Amino acid sequence: EADIYQTPRYLVIGTGKKITLECSQTMGHDKMYWYQQDPGMELHLIHYSYGVNSTEKGDLSSESTVSRIRTEHFPLTLESARPSHTSQYLCASSQEGDLGYEQFFGPGTRLTVL
Amino acid sequence: AQSVTQLGSHVSVSEGALVLLRCNYSSSVPPYLFWYVQYPNQGLQLLLKYTTGATLVKGINGFEAEFKKSETSFHLTKPSAHMSDAAEYFCAVSERNTGFQKLVFGTGTRLLVSP
Repeated sequence: EADIYQTPRYLVIGTGKKITLECSQTMGHDKMYWYQQDPGMELHLIHYSYGVNSTEKGDLSSESTVSRIRTEHFPLTLESARPSHTSQYLCASSQEGDLGYEQFFGPGTRLTVL
Repeated sequence: AQSVTQLGSHVSVSEGALVLLRCNYSSSVPPYLFWYVQYPNQGLQLLLKYTTGATLVKGINGFEAEFKKSETSFHLTKPSAHMSDAAEYFCAVSERNTGFQKLVFGTGTRLLVSP
């Protein structure tokens, strides 16, 4: 069973606030990912990491930032939330190597910015 | 770039009926293909994947999919739908990008199961 956790599960916040979405995995995976998912739409990769101190931008431009100081932890931060940031954010991790390796997903954080 | 097309944003079946969810991909190289399921308010869970070898892949919960290279398809099937199968299903293709496993997802198909 996958052991990847996201907190909070739901967040409603006002415009201009700084927020951090937490993601942790206990599987020792090197690679971690953040996806953004809007209703009825596909998942879009916004950030990924090869390992500690490695972060890259994904396909979808995002005003969020990420950090990877520890293998198990991959938080996402929005310095100033806006209504356009309202979405579901999914964190995932995978083993390094084979293209066919499964990405394990967390339960997601549903963010609403008022 | 690789892409995935899922025909039908919604599919409705009766309990006990055949489930068929369609997925077509585009790729210039042999792809790795995945089906994920997402239940309400949850993350994605892997149903099955095709990497190499046998083209008929069996997954969890009685689902299976067949890789057809000539048709660039990877349709998901289940002989008999159950109420618990109601969920969103995503097809994805794996694309290598500078040694990194990048998944390209389709827009998803919502499966509705009626009694």
